[in-house]
Amino acid sequence: AQSVTQLGSHVSVSEGALVLLRCNYSSSVPPYLFWYVQYPNQGLQLLLKYTSAATLVKGINGFEAEFKKSETSFHLTKPSAHMSDAAEYFCAVIRGGRRALTFGSGTRLQVQP
Amino acid sequence: DTEVTQTPKHLVMGMTNKKSLKCEQHMGHRAMYWYKQKAKKPPELMFVYSYEKLSINESVPSRFSPECPNSSLLNLHLHALQPEDSALYLCASSQEDRATEAFFGQGTRLTVV
Repeated sequence: AQSVTQLGSHVSVSEGALVLLRCNYSSSVPPYLFWYVQYPNQGLQLLLKYTSAATLVKGINGFEAEFKKSETSFHLTKPSAHMSDAAEYFCAVIRGGRRALTFGSGTRLQVQP
Repeated sequence: DTEVTQTPKHLVMGMTNKKSLKCEQHMGHRAMYWYKQKAKKPPELMFVYSYEKLSINESVPSRFSPECPNSSLLNLHLHALQPEDSALYLCASSQEDRATEAFFGQGTRLTVV
């Protein structure tokens, strides 16, 4: 069954520093992969998605992710962190033949001034 | 309109009460979902409706009863809940295509007393 693993439940960066949030997938076939962000007491908002059209995917708010088949990874990056980026980030995959998203455990991003 | 609207935003109910959560979307999506999210955890799939028919039930207790009256509406009927059912309940919708993203509502914060 397809799943995703997020390494690091908490990541803390300084404002202006590089953001790197890690996600590895487990799949025998190229999956459909997504990154979502959740602000406190809010729903989830899509940042970007990989659907095999391009390995480097650009999303909203300056985020991007690169699909690396050799590493089974789909890490999320942003060159320069803003205070407003502080939130919970979830990597997700469409699981097997099912239509629904399965989420990783999440990474809380803290941005220090 | 890319919104999924959930009502109410907050709900406190006793263990003997009956209540309903409502979800509405006007994006023409034919797949709709209920997720449950406990504090500091990722969302967990509960139900999937496809073309107004229940297609996935993730072994959810019968005290949770979903209903899809039409293609725009999704309800979750609650009866005889337990305190451990307290959580954020998220509704989402998507097109009937594995490559497309799900759009989430803001959620209903449920507290069972």
